[in-house]
Amino acid sequence: EPEVTQTPSHQVTQMGQEVILRCVPISNHLYFYWYRQILGQKVEFLVSFYNNEISEKSEIFDDQFSVERPDGSNFTLKIRSTKLEDSAMYFCAGVELLNTEAFFGQGTRLTVV
Amino acid sequence: DAKTTQPPSMDCAEGRAANLPCNHSTISGNEYVYWYRQIHSQGPQYIIHGLKNNETNEMASLIITEDRKSSTLILPHATLRDTAVYYCIVRVLIKAGANNLFFGTGTRLTVIP
Repeated sequence: EPEVTQTPSHQVTQMGQEVILRCVPISNHLYFYWYRQILGQKVEFLVSFYNNEISEKSEIFDDQFSVERPDGSNFTLKIRSTKLEDSAMYFCAGVELLNTEAFFGQGTRLTVV
Repeated sequence: DAKTTQPPSMDCAEGRAANLPCNHSTISGNEYVYWYRQIHSQGPQYIIHGLKNNETNEMASLIITEDRKSSTLILPHATLRDTAVYYCIVRVLIKAGANNLFFGTGTRLTVIP
């Protein structure tokens, strides 16, 4: 069964450093999302991406965050200058058609120290 | 998207049916009911979705009341591996590329041996 692949599975970074989280979506997916989950809290929507542009973003997704899909396969989330409160699990998801199920990756655990 | 209300936790004996309720009294006519689950800190996993008819797949059944104000997810023969947090989500097609999922706190189902 096809799956969404995220790398790395765990990343530790120092506060103020830039991090790039990578996702390889399922090949026929057209809509892409990033979510995050702070330990013990809800899964929160960050951003949706379609047709090579951001469709929607939450309040969390401020100027420190960016997404891109430069080569038509990898879908990346960049945090320019990490803060301690960015420590969380980050999940990538993809959807083939608007009203089908979203497939999530296994997540990247980001720890900012 | 309409809000949902779920009990925070439930227990179920292994081998018995697990019935997880969800209230969505403000659901609109064009909103679908989706169920996802999250095992430990893994990525959310799609289970089933429906609009107004009852649905069944290899994982579960979804029963939606006639007025669509509530639904029940049924796991027919719960196993220990079904221990997870189950999320009931209603979503509407806002526009292409959006349609993100809004996760609540869900129901923590514990399957007891």
